[in-house]
Amino acid sequence: GEDVEQSLFLSVREGDSSVINCTYTDSSSTYLYWYKQEPGAGLQLLTYIFSNMDMKQDQRLTVLLNKKDKHLSLRIADTQTGDSAIYFCAEEDGATNKLIFGTGTLLAVQP
Amino acid sequence: GAVVSQHPSWVICKSGTSVKIECRSLDFQATTMFWYRQFPKQSLMLMATSNEGSKATYEQGVEKDKFLINHASLTLSTLTVTSAHPEDSSFYICSARGDYYNEQFFGPGTRLTVL
Repeated sequence: GEDVEQSLFLSVREGDSSVINCTYTDSSSTYLYWYKQEPGAGLQLLTYIFSNMDMKQDQRLTVLLNKKDKHLSLRIADTQTGDSAIYFCAEEDGATNKLIFGTGTLLAVQP
Repeated sequence: GAVVSQHPSWVICKSGTSVKIECRSLDFQATTMFWYRQFPKQSLMLMATSNEGSKATYEQGVEKDKFLINHASLTLSTLTVTSAHPEDSSFYICSARGDYYNEQFFGPGTRLTVL
């Protein structure tokens, strides 16, 4: 089966960088995504990376992909209290477009 | 960007009743819609994939007679939880994907509480 693992919790101080890690198992994934979920709300797409890329930067967000190790990370620069949320990585099956979500990481930003 | 809505945003019902949740793509045609279920403090689990005009494909372990999915138009899919029980209480989230997008756009979710 497909398992996408994330660490459960990350606490950082406001202004620091946050790095959220994700490991996946399906080497045939075409796209990998990062979503943000605030309490009681749906998912907000933050960024995504195509599987043949190593890195993607989008303002404060940097995504790194190590396809050999099946490891994905999301770095948030200058983390703000508004970044406090649960972050999910997800891999997409290229044939079915199904998303397999990670277990989620709760990011707590301390003022 | 593309917008997906869900209705209702929350619902409380008695055990044994059926509940219908709507998922609409507001500004694009959704050829495929997905239904997810999320228990508290857990990840999203895909329940089923529905393509417009055809029967939904359910994930292993999801009862198709319990969770009826209809995708009758390119902008609307419905999930009906039949004879709901307290263990069906959950956060149900839909997403929609059109032919011109690489990504799924998620609705805001519907919180179902069965008493």
